[in-house]
This record gives sequence, structure tokens and C-alpha cells, in this order.
Amino acid sequence: EAQVTQNPRYLITVTGKKLTVTCSQNMNHEYMSWYRQDPGLGLRQIYYSMNVEVTDKGDVPEGYKVSRKEKRNFPLILESPSPNQTSLYFCASSLWERADTQYFGPGTRLTVL
Amino acid sequence: GQQVMQIPQYQHVQEGEDFTTYCNSSTTLSNIQWYKQRPGGHPVFLIQLVKSGEVKKQKRLTFQFGEAKKNSSLHITATQTTDVGTYFCNPGTYKYIFGTGTRLKVLA
Repeated sequence: EAQVTQNPRYLITVTGKKLTVTCSQNMNHEYMSWYRQDPGLGLRQIYYSMNVEVTDKGDVPEGYKVSRKEKRNFPLILESPSPNQTSLYFCASSLWERADTQYFGPGTRLTVL
Repeated sequence: GQQVMQIPQYQHVQEGEDFTTYCNSSTTLSNIQWYKQRPGGHPVFLIQLVKSGEVKKQKRLTFQFGEAKKNSSLHITATQTTDVGTYFCNPGTYKYIFGTGTRLKVLA
């Protein structure tokens, strides 16, 4: 089954404790992206990647890191999480030549205390 | 930078009523996509519009791209409770910019 998976689905952590949210897709998509969703602010792009070893900042990259060492994986790293990073996070992927149609993962709800 | 605004932010309708959400851009768009997110779910791609003045239909949903390619609309005829959710427009290519979305609530 074609899908985008994220782990964990839920996470409660404390300020400053490094964490990684994994994202994996099995569709051989070149393009992958991370978003955060907050009430009243819609979906905001954090980082995106057009292919392996190619990443770029979205609209709200501060406090986040990403890497794209393999085509299927695009982890989101919070080196020192802060409470303002409490949010719902979505990973998405698409074929590069069809960068319009994104497939979203189920979401990761992160709470930073 | 590119700005996208969606209106309204919220809409409550009685089941059977029509519903329309609008997406307006400050710049001319090459294309626009629409997504639906059910409560507690993730965004799901609905459709893409590319041509000026393009109109596409999916059952009770009608999507329109403005002649100037700066705005788009999604119209739902005779809403049903299954239409509940948030509808997003997305005008980006590789750098996606989602609108804030319109949250639709359908009252049975």
C-alpha cells in the first residue's frame, strides 16, 4: 500500500530535550516536505527536499533541522525543543514532476512542556 | 512573498445548503490545488487547476480558477455531513504555501 508514515504519532517532551520525528514514504517520490499546523495559521512549511541531499527552508524553519540521506526518509530534528514548537506536524511527499499532488502522513502531535 | 488568503475562515451550514470557499492570491498563479482535511485527519489532495478560467467538477464539488489566475473557488452543492472538514487551497509548486483553510461544519 502506497503511504507516508510518521513516528511517533504522539509525543510529550520537555524543553531542550532533542527529538527526531521520522518520515518515510514507499512511493519512490523525489519531493518531501514537513509542515506544522496550528489553529488559525493553517499549514506552514518548515523544510522541503527535492531529492537526496537537496533540502531547503520553507516559511518557518527556525528551530528545526532536516536531512535527506535516502530517498524514502526525511526526518525532522528538533535539537532543543521549546514550548512554541508544540504543534501538529505533517510530512508529505510527491513525485517531482507532479509536485502538485502531495501525499500526507497521518501527523505527529508534539507537546513541549 | 506570495500570500494566499482564504475566506471565510469558518462556515456553518445546514445539511442540504450550498457552500463556497474562496482562495485569493496577491500574485498570478501557475496552478492551484485544493485539499480536504477531515477532523483529526491529514490533508488529502482533491484537484489541481492549471488553465485560466478552468472549471472542474467532482460530483457535488465544483472548482474554478479565475481568468486572471489570482483566485479560485470551491463550491459544494447540497452539503452532506460527510463534507465536514477544512478545505485548503495551495498555489505552490516546490515551495508550498497553503491558505489558512476554511473550516466547514454541516448541521444535520
